[in-house]
Amino acid sequence: NAGVMQNPRHLVRRRGQEARLRCSPMKGHSHVYWYRQLPEEGLKFMVYLQKENIIDESGMPKERFSAEFPKEGPSILRIQQVVRGDSAAYFCASSQRLDRLTQETQYFGPGTRLLVL
Amino acid sequence: SQKIEQNSEALNIQEGKTATLTCNYTNYSPAYLQWYRQDPGRGPVFLLLIRENEKEKRKERLKVTFDTTLKQSLFHITASQPADSATYLCALDGQAGSYQLTFGKGTKLSVIP
Repeated sequence: NAGVMQNPRHLVRRRGQEARLRCSPMKGHSHVYWYRQLPEEGLKFMVYLQKENIIDESGMPKERFSAEFPKEGPSILRIQQVVRGDSAAYFCASSQRLDRLTQETQYFGPGTRLLVL
Repeated sequence: SQKIEQNSEALNIQEGKTATLTCNYTNYSPAYLQWYRQDPGRGPVFLLLIRENEKEKRKERLKVTFDTTLKQSLFHITASQPADSATYLCALDGQAGSYQLTFGKGTKLSVIP
C-alpha cells in the first residue's frame, strides 16, 4: 500500500507568486489534514477536509490560503501571492476518520518544503 | 487554549539505556494522546496511541503511560539504539468538535554508541 504522497517535495517561489501543494491520501482514506511546520516550531494544524468539503479551517490564515479536496484527484493547498514568511514545511496527513472517540491515526506524507525568495 | 509541552528540546543518552521523554498538557482533557517520530527532512511517523482510559501501552521496546490526573504522558524507549535517534513528537486530539491534532515542539533524542 502506498503511503500518503505529496508533491512537489521542494518548491521555490518568488514573492508574489502562487504555490500549489498536492496531497494524495492513503488508499481507502477519505479524510485529509494539512499542517505547517515552521523552523524550530511544532506542527500547526491548518485545515481538515473530506471529499468536496472543508470541515475545519480554523488554522488557516484568512487571506491568500485556500484548500480543496475534489471528488477526483488529490487535495490541493494553494497559497497566493506568497511572502517570505510562508517559507515552511507543509505536511499532509490522512485518516479513515470514524468519530472523535474512534479517531483513526493520522498518517503523514513526506512534506513539501516551500522556500520563498 | 490547550497547551502542550515536551520536557526538553534535546536528550542525549548512552546506547543500551532507557530513554524517557515527557509530555505535559494544560487546559484540556484529551480523549487520547499520540506519539510520533520525525527524522530530519521527513514527515512524522506514528508510533503509539493511548486513550484516556488506558494507563499504559507497549509496542516492542516502546512504552507509553498516560496520567490524566497529572496531565502527563511518559514515553520510554528501552535498550536504546543509535537508530532510535530522532525527534519525538507528542500530540493531543482536538478539543470537542475539533479534529485537529495539537503537537508539542518535540524532543530531539540522540543515542550515543
